[in-house]
Amino acid sequence: QQQVKQSPQSLIVQKGGIPIINCAYENTAFDYFPWYQQFPGKGPALLIAIRPDVSEKKEGRFTISFNKSAKQFSLHIMDSQPGDSATYFCAAILNNAGNMLTFGGGTRLMVKP
Amino acid sequence: NAGVTQTPKFQVLKTGQSMTLQCAQDMNHEYMSWYRQDPGMGLRLIHYSVGAGITDQGEVPNGYNVSRSTTEDFPLRLLSAAPSQTSVYFCASSHDRSGGNTIYFGEGSWLTVV
Repeated sequence: QQQVKQSPQSLIVQKGGIPIINCAYENTAFDYFPWYQQFPGKGPALLIAIRPDVSEKKEGRFTISFNKSAKQFSLHIMDSQPGDSATYFCAAILNNAGNMLTFGGGTRLMVKP
Repeated sequence: NAGVTQTPKFQVLKTGQSMTLQCAQDMNHEYMSWYRQDPGMGLRLIHYSVGAGITDQGEVPNGYNVSRSTTEDFPLRLLSAAPSQTSVYFCASSHDRSGGNTIYFGEGSWLTVV
């Protein structure tokens, strides 16, 4: 039972393109939704996060869109660069569960020069 | 400030052997956890701890044991290794309940069970 579903599994875009990664969740008790970026051989690193009472959050070239009624959220990367090539994970944190993360399956992004 | 330190980085075990993955953090975080990462499945929670002396099971706890005798350390023990435990293991820590912005991950331990 995967509580957070992520798509697509892989994505290839040209430099300057806008890759979009989508996630959907089941449990309405989730109250914090972070995105993590992972480079090969490294641990996940927090990229950007949003709470369900906010519909959009932007940090630099990264934007999260959140649709609470549909239980969906997405990551947009503006003006993507080859250095953005990595695996991206969406995640959710359950209210009062000690900061424990439920992850989506991951999206491997390749940005071609 | 070393952050979250995991050892060993790489390990090969034979089926049935036992071993301990070490995790230490120097940020005085109360919360620590262990995840495993398998292709296409993201990271799944194995065990977690909300403070010294307190541990609980996550999504995939079978075959693993943990203890939290100090705030700094949270070792993960494989009792009798099985090929299904071949994975990358990540330790994480955080210091409050405000959400993902305070969760730090180690660099991972690659485990192969043959």
